[in-house]
Amino acid sequence: EVQLVESGGGLVQPGGSLRLSCAASGFTFSTYAMSWVRQAPGKGLEWVSDVTANGGNTYYADSVKGRFTISRDNSKNMLYLQMNSLRVEDTAVYYCARLYGSGSPHSDVWGKGTTVTVSS
Amino acid sequence: QPVLTQSSSASASLGSSVKLTCTLSSGHSSSIVAWHQQQPGKAPRYLMRLEGSGSYNKGSGVPDRFSGSRSGADRYLTISNLQSEDESDYYCETWDSNTRVFGGGTKLTVL
Repeated sequence: EVQLVESGGGLVQPGGSLRLSCAASGFTFSTYAMSWVRQAPGKGLEWVSDVTANGGNTYYADSVKGRFTISRDNSKNMLYLQMNSLRVEDTAVYYCARLYGSGSPHSDVWGKGTTVTVSS
Repeated sequence: QPVLTQSSSASASLGSSVKLTCTLSSGHSSSIVAWHQQQPGKAPRYLMRLEGSGSYNKGSGVPDRFSGSRSGADRYLTISNLQSEDESDYYCETWDSNTRVFGGGTKLTVL
């Protein structure tokens, strides 16, 4: 069964840091690009970051550029999101997603999400 | 970068059909779009990939009641024989110029 399981969420003060993890199973992780998408309370889906299959290229939404870093460890089937300088507006459920398709890849498998709360 | 526009809400009766619209911004009318369903309190679920040609490929386990189509810059998700479990938020997604974009979502109410 194809599965993505996020972890690492929690409560953090503004300006703090947090590292999210996503464990992948049931597919050949190293052949798929991956993505982080977040959803603030009561709001829609917002793209955060993508990484290519080999980790060589990364892409970020303007709202997180310079503060968040996406990475992956293909030997461990793990995806990560290092979040620094966190702001109240980063409060959201963070989902990891598998990306399918070349040229215009789209999310085709979603994890259940992990909740990040930024508050003093 | 592209912009995806969706109506904020829609409603239809149990057993009827509904057509949800996702409109691509100017210059992106041939882009591929994916549709996702998010039931209340749950994670999103991938429904289908809708090509610029209008053909679509559905995800594993997606019922035949769900179909896709296009007209110009509009991408449609049609749900036939509406069931109570179809009451969800529906999002479209596309990718261009190293940017992934989601529409604002349509909240579907099944009456």
